[in-house]
Amino acid sequence: DQQVKQNSPSLSVQEGRISILNCDYTNSMFDYFLWYKKYPAEGPTFLISISSIKDKNEDGRFTVFLNKSAKHLSLHIVPSQPGDSAVYFCAGGDTGNQFYFGTGTSLTVIP
Amino acid sequence: IAGITQAPTSQILAAGRRMTLRCTQDMRHNAMYWYRQDLGLGLRLIHYSNTAGTTGKGEVPDGYSVSRANTDDFPLTLASAVPSQTSVYFCASSRLAGSSYNEQFFGPGTRLTVL
Repeated sequence: DQQVKQNSPSLSVQEGRISILNCDYTNSMFDYFLWYKKYPAEGPTFLISISSIKDKNEDGRFTVFLNKSAKHLSLHIVPSQPGDSAVYFCAGGDTGNQFYFGTGTSLTVIP
Repeated sequence: IAGITQAPTSQILAAGRRMTLRCTQDMRHNAMYWYRQDLGLGLRLIHYSNTAGTTGKGEVPDGYSVSRANTDDFPLTLASAVPSQTSVYFCASSRLAGSSYNEQFFGPGTRLTVL
């Protein structure tokens, strides 16, 4: 049973526009969330995180929003660039030893 | 070495054979992890180790074993490979054990095909 869900397998956005990637989770005990970016034939690389005590975290062009009541988080990329084209994974974890990852969303930024 | 290395990069293996995937990190991280990535299923944790000498089971541990003799190395062994273990395997590490406030760094992956 997927505890973290990314319901959009793919997303296409024009260069310069906003990309919004969504993620839903079921476990109310999750207190920390991560977003990873993955290029083909490479391992995932950490992008941005947010703890459950916040509802927003910003790092340059990347902003993550957390809505705990809806068990929903989203990653905003503004402005989108062709180099942002990759698969994005969200993950949630509690104070245990395990992060649960979503199935990923493949973002294509069209020049 | 910088970060996490995995070997081999790819492997084709006959069913029933034994295989060990290697993982080494040079960041002196305490915790290490093994994940498998399958289409439509994302990344799933196989085993983890909070510190040298300890290991634990993740979400999909069956058919796999790990050991953590020292801080740097965390090999994953398939004792008798089956076709359902065809996947891309990622090793990861984090400075601290436990998931809170603790990002994980991933290796480049090993693509394993079991025929």
